[in-house]
Amino acid sequence: DAGITQSPRYKITETGRQVTLMCHQTWSHSYMFWYRQDLGHGLRLIYYSAAADITDKGEVPDGYVVSRSKTENFPLTLESATRSQTSVYFCASTVGSNQPQHFGDGTRLSIL
Amino acid sequence: QKEVEQNSGPLSVPEGAIASLNCTYSDRGSQSFFWYRQYSGKSPELIMSIYSNGDKEDGRFTAQLNKASQYVSLLIRDSQPSDSATYLCAVNRGNNDMRFGAGTRLTVKP
Repeated sequence: DAGITQSPRYKITETGRQVTLMCHQTWSHSYMFWYRQDLGHGLRLIYYSAAADITDKGEVPDGYVVSRSKTENFPLTLESATRSQTSVYFCASTVGSNQPQHFGDGTRLSIL
Repeated sequence: QKEVEQNSGPLSVPEGAIASLNCTYSDRGSQSFFWYRQYSGKSPELIMSIYSNGDKEDGRFTAQLNKASQYVSLLIRDSQPSDSATYLCAVNRGNNDMRFGAGTRLTVKP
């Protein structure tokens, strides 16, 4: 049972570069989410998707782009990375909008 | 005022004691409530869900919900050193709008 997997686990890049974080789930969950976790802020929602080709902004969407062409994949792209986007990024999924979310192992992203 | 507030801790309890973790939330329309455990450097792991007022028990864990007071708590009985982690309170406001507290760091001392 692979569940939900994120790649890469660690990434270092430079300001201005484009970087894509991958998320793949094997549960066929309809809903998928991207969060960032920073000290003092807890987890904050960046984008979510209710189904393939349906995405919506969360609390902190600026500087990020998502797509969901297939139910199992939900990549997150930073089009022009900034130092303020240094964070730990978690992907999550759930079977229903009122159900608990299950998290991937996270991607630790550092932008120099 | 934050959407979901937790005491950041650290909360320190001796092994075998009861650890009590508290959470308040601001949106009265919130529909479901969750507690996650997060070990350092790891991802959040669901330990309890609660949807209606009252207590819900699962092994050594009891979640308590009081919607009138907008309060959720988690009790950990017979605390073990392996329970040492950060505990996140999560509140679902509906329509996929899940808000997380910043977490309470718990240390259980042998």
